[in-house]
Amino acid sequence: QKEVEQNSGPLSVPEGAIASLNCTYSDRGSQSFFWYRQYSGKSPELIMFIYSNGDKEDGRFTAQLNKASQYVSLLIRDSQPSDSATYLCAGQSAGYGGSQGNLIFGKGTKLSVKP
Amino acid sequence: GAVVSQHPSRVICKSGTSVKIECRSLDFQATTMFWYRQFPKQSLMLMATSNEGSKATYEQGVEKDKFLINHASLTLSTLTVTSAHPEDSSFYICSARDPGTGFYEQYFGPGTRLTVT
Repeated sequence: QKEVEQNSGPLSVPEGAIASLNCTYSDRGSQSFFWYRQYSGKSPELIMFIYSNGDKEDGRFTAQLNKASQYVSLLIRDSQPSDSATYLCAGQSAGYGGSQGNLIFGKGTKLSVKP
Repeated sequence: GAVVSQHPSRVICKSGTSVKIECRSLDFQATTMFWYRQFPKQSLMLMATSNEGSKATYEQGVEKDKFLINHASLTLSTLTVTSAHPEDSSFYICSARDPGTGFYEQYFGPGTRLTVT
C-alpha cells in the first residue's frame, strides 16, 4: 500500500516565524511531490511542486526533497495569520496502468499562525 | 496555474433524487479528471479516476452504480449521485490533471457542497 504520511497537527507558530511542515512517503518510485493548501470549507490549492533532490524556493515558500530518506518538507518563512490552513502533501504514484501518475495525498497538517 | 470550474457550488436535494455535478477544465485539455469526497474535518477521499472516452476507475468501496461518472470530452467530466440519501451529504471536489508540463500536477475545482434532506 503506497502511503504519504503527515503529522496531523495542529502546528502552531507565532506570526513572523518559520513554519516547517513534514511528509514521508513509501513509494520509492515516486518522482514528483506536491504541496497543497486547503482553507476550511474550500478546495485544495496547489502551492508548489518539486521533483529534484534539494530545495526549491518560491516567495516565502521553500520545498525540500530528500529521495534517499523519502522525505519532503515545506518551509513557510515570515508566517502570517492568513497562512493558517491545512497543508496537504502529495506524491505522484509510480504505479502502472490506470494509477500511473495519480497523486497519493497525505491526510494533511493543520497550521495555525498566531498573531 | 490552470483553472478548473465546478457547478453547482452548492445544492440541496430531497432524499431519493439524483444530482449532477459538472467539472470543467477552462484553459487546458484534461485527459484525466478525479472525483473526491470530503466529510467535515476529514481528509480527501478519492472516489474515482475519470479518463476521457473510457469508463471511470472507482476506488474500493465506492458504488459505481450510485456515483455515475461521465468524461465525454477533454474539458468536461460529470458526477451524478443517483438516489441520494442523507449520508451522501458531503463536499464533492473534482480535479483535473494538466498533461502539458509532464509533472502530473492536479488542479482542483472549487467544490460542490451537497446536502440531502
